[in-house]
Amino acid sequence: DTGVSQNPRHKITKRGQNVTFRCDPISEHNRLYWYRQTLGQGPEFLTYFQNEAQLEKSRLLSDRFSAERPKGSFSTLEIQRTEQGDSAMYLCASSLGPTSGSYNEQFFGPGTRLTVL
Amino acid sequence: AQSVSQHNHHVILSEAASLELGCNYSYGGTVNLFWYVQYPGQHLQLLLKYFSGDPLVKGIKGFEAEFIKSKFSFNLRKPSVQWSDTAEYFCAVSVAGGYQKVTFGIGTKLQVIP
Repeated sequence: DTGVSQNPRHKITKRGQNVTFRCDPISEHNRLYWYRQTLGQGPEFLTYFQNEAQLEKSRLLSDRFSAERPKGSFSTLEIQRTEQGDSAMYLCASSLGPTSGSYNEQFFGPGTRLTVL
Repeated sequence: AQSVSQHNHHVILSEAASLELGCNYSYGGTVNLFWYVQYPGQHLQLLLKYFSGDPLVKGIKGFEAEFIKSKFSFNLRKPSVQWSDTAEYFCAVSVAGGYQKVTFGIGTKLQVIP
């Protein structure tokens, strides 16, 4: 499968624990995005990488959240001291870019469903 | 900042009925507009997009959408739905020329009854 992959697919943790999710984008894609989707809502943008550079972080991304893309390939999203409000589906997407004057489709992974007890 | 509103959160149709899902966005500048679909148990995937040019865009599986700039709308249509169209549909917007962060609407769950 050459699409975007995410691991783990499901994570159950206790409040206060740290969790880390991994995203492997499509290999030639240099842009990588993280979104969060809660029940009954559409995905919400969290952060964006172009190669290894993190170029924007949403206000949704509190100090407990950190994302990295160390070599411009896979990315990790870590949540420290998890809270029940962090329970959500965390989606990763990747795309080609930049391409002047055009849009490059974002391809989404299956997501990691986090449940904080 | 841009935002998207979808008018219908849950739609139930019989097969062969026509579909129109409403979507309005708010942003003062030039935008790219999208409809994404999520079939049960599957990833989000792009259904169609408007970037520029003809405001009537055609996507996969017989779907189309019309961009009406004066109304800030991008409604999704299909003349005759099938049971396999049962899915959740998300309208989305990104700022043209930006790095293409996508802002999604709340989604519309479509249930097609055979």
